[in-house]
Amino acid sequence: DAMVIQNPRYQVTQFGKPVTLSCSQTLNHNVMYWYQQKSSQAPKLLFHYYDKDFNNEADTPDNFQSRRPNTSFCFLDIRSPGLGDAAMYLCATSRPQGASYNEQFFGPGTRLTVL
Amino acid sequence: AQSVTQPDIHITVSEGASLELRCNYSYGATPYLFWYVQSPGQGLQLLLKYFSGDTLVQGIKGFEAEFKRSQSSFNLRKPSVHWSDAAEYFCAVGQGGKLIFGQGTELSVKP
Repeated sequence: DAMVIQNPRYQVTQFGKPVTLSCSQTLNHNVMYWYQQKSSQAPKLLFHYYDKDFNNEADTPDNFQSRRPNTSFCFLDIRSPGLGDAAMYLCATSRPQGASYNEQFFGPGTRLTVL
Repeated sequence: AQSVTQPDIHITVSEGASLELRCNYSYGATPYLFWYVQSPGQGLQLLLKYFSGDTLVQGIKGFEAEFKRSQSSFNLRKPSVHWSDAAEYFCAVGQGGKLIFGQGTELSVKP
């Protein structure tokens, strides 16, 4: 089945130690998104890629970076995690075809713990 | 600015009872509307979507939603709730490839 895969599902890191989260997709979608979701809150968009074009949200901290080496993979790098970065990180994809551009397919998420 | 409001933070229903989760949106043009469900520790799963056409849309797991332009609403319904429906539900409006989410409604199901 076509899907969005996130690895690892659970990640523990230390305060200030860089961490990378991974997302891959078999849907061949042009657009990939990264969201941060804290407990009992809606997902918050950090940034997205339209093909290789990177689009950062205005309020995304510089501590968060992303890479997309090819269509299938996208990475979220947190350069110096703070306690406030502990959250669920969700990856999603969409295909830019009319209304379907707005329909996003989500991965299972990576739960990040910062010690 | 576009916004989505889910007035109910938390709803509890008995198993087998009917369910309605409310969603109101603020959007100038014809909206692209979605309902997603999130089980604890999981990603978001699409329940149903409205792009155009018939205002009553059917989704997975026995859910349906009705788009009412006059009320700017897109309420989610299910005639008989199962214990496995306990989860967080998010209503969203899509615009230019981005989703604007409501705050979410947590559904609890009593035996």
